[in-house]
Amino acid sequence: DTGVSQNPRHKITKRGQNVTFRCDPISEHNRLYWYRQTLGQGPEFLTYFQNEAQLEKSRLLSDRFSAERPKGSFSTLEIQRTEQGDSAMYLCASSLELVLATGELFFGEGSRLTVL
Amino acid sequence: AQSVTQPDIHITVSEGASLELRCNYSYGATPYLFWYVQSPGQGLQLLLKYFSGDTLVQGIKGFEAEFKRSQSSFNLRKPSVHWSDAAEYFCAVGEGKLIFGAGTRLAVHP
Repeated sequence: DTGVSQNPRHKITKRGQNVTFRCDPISEHNRLYWYRQTLGQGPEFLTYFQNEAQLEKSRLLSDRFSAERPKGSFSTLEIQRTEQGDSAMYLCASSLELVLATGELFFGEGSRLTVL
Repeated sequence: AQSVTQPDIHITVSEGASLELRCNYSYGATPYLFWYVQSPGQGLQLLLKYFSGDTLVQGIKGFEAEFKRSQSSFNLRKPSVHWSDAAEYFCAVGEGKLIFGAGTRLAVHP
């Protein structure tokens, strides 16, 4: 399968614990995005990378959140000191630069976080 | 501010009936517009996209959408709905980073 891969698919944790999600994008895609989706809402942008550079972060991304893409391939999203409000589906997507493509994002199946 | 509005939170149609899902957007420039579908436990799948040219675009699964600049709309249509179309549908706008609407949940009655 050459699509976007995310793991773990589900994570249940206690409030205050740290969690990390991993995303493996489509191999030739140089852009990688993280979104958050809560029940009954559309995906909300968190951050994106072009290669290894993090180019934009949403105000939704508090100091407890950190994302990396160290070699321009896979990415990790870490949430420190989780809170119940962090419970959501975390979606990863990848794409080519606009000059090379028409801007569509290819999404993974998401990582669902439940904070007890 | 850039935004997407999907006025209908939930729509129910009978199988075989026609469907139109509404989408209005606010965007400073000529937008790239998208419709995605999300089935339970599945990732978001692209149905169709508009970025230039013909304002009526065809997508997968028999869906089409029409871009109307004067109305800032990009409504999704299908002439005959199948039970397997039951899912959540998201309209999105943007260049690179996409802004999504809140979604419309479609239920299909047999």
